[in-house]
Amino acid sequence: DAGVIQSPRHEVTEMGQEVTLRCKPISGHNSLFWYRQTMMRGLELLIYFNNNVPIDDSGMPEDRFSAKMPNASFSTLKIQPSEPRDSAVYFCASSPGRNTEAFFGQGTRLTVV
Amino acid sequence: KNEVEQSPQNLTAQEGEFITINCSYSVGISALHWLQQHPGGGIVSLFMLSSGKKKHGRLIATINIQEKHSSLHITASHPRDSAVYICAVGSARQLTFGSGTQLTVLP
Repeated sequence: DAGVIQSPRHEVTEMGQEVTLRCKPISGHNSLFWYRQTMMRGLELLIYFNNNVPIDDSGMPEDRFSAKMPNASFSTLKIQPSEPRDSAVYFCASSPGRNTEAFFGQGTRLTVV
Repeated sequence: KNEVEQSPQNLTAQEGEFITINCSYSVGISALHWLQQHPGGGIVSLFMLSSGKKKHGRLIATINIQEKHSSLHITASHPRDSAVYICAVGSARQLTFGSGTQLTVLP
């Protein structure tokens, strides 16, 4: 298996633009997570899906952020409109179950100018 | 006080040295994770443990549930071990992360 695949690896966008980050989890994993990593706050959980259903989105910072998982092999994290403070590395991770090891993607480094 | 504390924050070692990174936590947990983040940014899960000890190659992770403490050991360290090592506690759904330990192994 190729592991968790994220795209793009790097994204630079202007403030106000819409940004869409993509994630393909490991086949057979039924839990998917979106994390954000910044220097100030470290790694933070944004949202957690189980069997394609959002279970906990309490970490989503505000309404500008939305995440979808239309099927078991694909998820998106969208920021609309983007702001410079959204600049961070966004990680997607998947796991086979609720209390099991999480496997991380390579991350998307987002820069909003 | 942070729920997950790592020490040291930065560690520089010579190749071949035995390295220990510590993690203390104040919350109840179902499991503790050790993650490795390389300079390129990718995160790799090294261990998930809820008791005792696990070993993988030159890496050893131990946990003491009563003392709420875990250690990550690297034997015969190598420059390619240079990375940030992150301790995280909880389930994958509710991971609380430490701030990480920056390890640099010099040749």
